[in-house]
Amino acid sequence: NAGVTQTPKFQVLKTGQSMTLQCAQDMNHEYMSWYRQDPGMGLRLIHYSVGAGITDQGEVPNGYNVSRSTTEDFPLRLLSAAPSQTSVYFCASSLGTGLNQPQHFGDGTRLSIL
Amino acid sequence: KQEVTQIPAALSVPEGENLVLNCSFTDSAIYNLQWFRQDHGKGLTSLLLIQSSQREQTSGRLNASLDKSSGRSTLYIAASQPGDSATYLCAVSTNAGKSTFGDGTTLTVKP
Repeated sequence: NAGVTQTPKFQVLKTGQSMTLQCAQDMNHEYMSWYRQDPGMGLRLIHYSVGAGITDQGEVPNGYNVSRSTTEDFPLRLLSAAPSQTSVYFCASSLGTGLNQPQHFGDGTRLSIL
Repeated sequence: KQEVTQIPAALSVPEGENLVLNCSFTDSAIYNLQWFRQDHGKGLTSLLLIQSSQREQTSGRLNASLDKSSGRSTLYIAASQPGDSATYLCAVSTNAGKSTFGDGTTLTVKP
């Protein structure tokens, strides 16, 4: 029972490079989301999806793109990395937005932009 | 805009003590409130979820209460143990699925 799997666990990038953070869940959850966690600022919602083919912006979407082609996968793309995007990124999923089901989190991706 | 505040930011107690963590939110139009535990360098683990129509939830030594009208929730931990040392986060959600998190309370339980 894998739950929410994030890869990679650690990554160092240079400014301007692009990369994709992967997130997969095997619980058939409709709702998936991406957060970033920074010291003193808590977790902030970047993008979220209420189902395959549907995505929407969260609190801090600039500099990030997402897509949801399948129920299982919700990748987060950094098109041109900036030092301000150095953070810990968490992916979460839940059964449905209207079902009062708890969110399940992955172990995070620790990203450093030099 | 919803704001979630957790007080205190850090708490240190001796083993065996009962303790209360506080969470307050500014917009009472929430769908549910969830308490999480985060160990250092790890992801978040869900502890309790309280629906907006509920007043409290219990799991083992943990009890969470919700007073939606006053915008407050508490997490009560009974007979604390060193293994309870972690950061505890609360999050409130709207029915659209958006969650707003507090900054957390870092708990240290000393043997």
